[in-house]
Amino acid sequence: EAQVTQNPRYLITVTGKKLTVTCSQNMNHEYMSWYRQDPGLGLRQIYYSMNVEVTDKGDVPEGYKVSRKEKRNFPLILESPSPNQTSLYFCASSLGASGASTDTQYFGPGTRLTVL
Amino acid sequence: SQKIEQNSEALNIQEGKTATLTCNYTNYSPAYLQWYRQDPGRGPVFLLLIRENEKEKRKERLKVTFDTTLKQSLFHITASQPADSATYLCALDIMTGGFKTIFGAGTRLFVKA
Repeated sequence: EAQVTQNPRYLITVTGKKLTVTCSQNMNHEYMSWYRQDPGLGLRQIYYSMNVEVTDKGDVPEGYKVSRKEKRNFPLILESPSPNQTSLYFCASSLGASGASTDTQYFGPGTRLTVL
Repeated sequence: SQKIEQNSEALNIQEGKTATLTCNYTNYSPAYLQWYRQDPGRGPVFLLLIRENEKEKRKERLKVTFDTTLKQSLFHITASQPADSATYLCALDIMTGGFKTIFGAGTRLFVKA
C-alpha cells in the first residue's frame, strides 16, 4: 500500500531535549516536505527536499533541521525543542519529477508534539 | 504582503445543494493551485490541482476554477452530501528555485441532511 508513515504519532517532551520525528514513504517520490499545523494558522511549510541531499527552507525553518540521505526517509530534528514548537506536524511526499510541479502531495497521519 | 485567504467562517449548507468555497491570494504568482480535504485529526487528502494556464477543472462532483487576474480560485461541490463535511484547504505552489507550497487556513464545511 502506497503511504507516508510518521513516528511517533504522539510525543510529550521537555524543553531542550533533542528529538527526531521520522518520516518514510514507499512511493519512490523525489519531493518530501514537513509542515506544522496550528489553529487559525493553517499548514506552514518548515523544510522541503527536492531530492536526496537537496533540502531548502520553507516559511518557518527556525529551530528545525532536516536531512535527506536516502530517497525514502526525511527525518525532522528538533535540537533544542521549546514550548512554541508544540504543534501538529505532517510529513508529505510527491513525485516531483525534475522541472515539473510538486504534483499531488501525499500526507502522513501526523505527529502531535507537546513541549513542556 | 503575501497572503492567502479562505472563508474563515464555517459554511453550512443543506444536503443536495452546491457548496462554493473561495480562495483569494495576493502578491503571489503561483504555478499551480491545489485543493485538499482534511478531516479532524487526519492529514490532508489531495482533491484537485489546476495549473496557471487552466481556467477550470472537474472531477466527479468537484469543480475548481482559477482566475489569475482576480487572483482567486473557487471550489464547488455539487449535490453535496453529509459525508462532504470537512475542512477544505487551498494551496499555492510557488516556484522559488525549488517549489514551496503555501496553504490557506481552510474553510470548514458542514452539510446537513
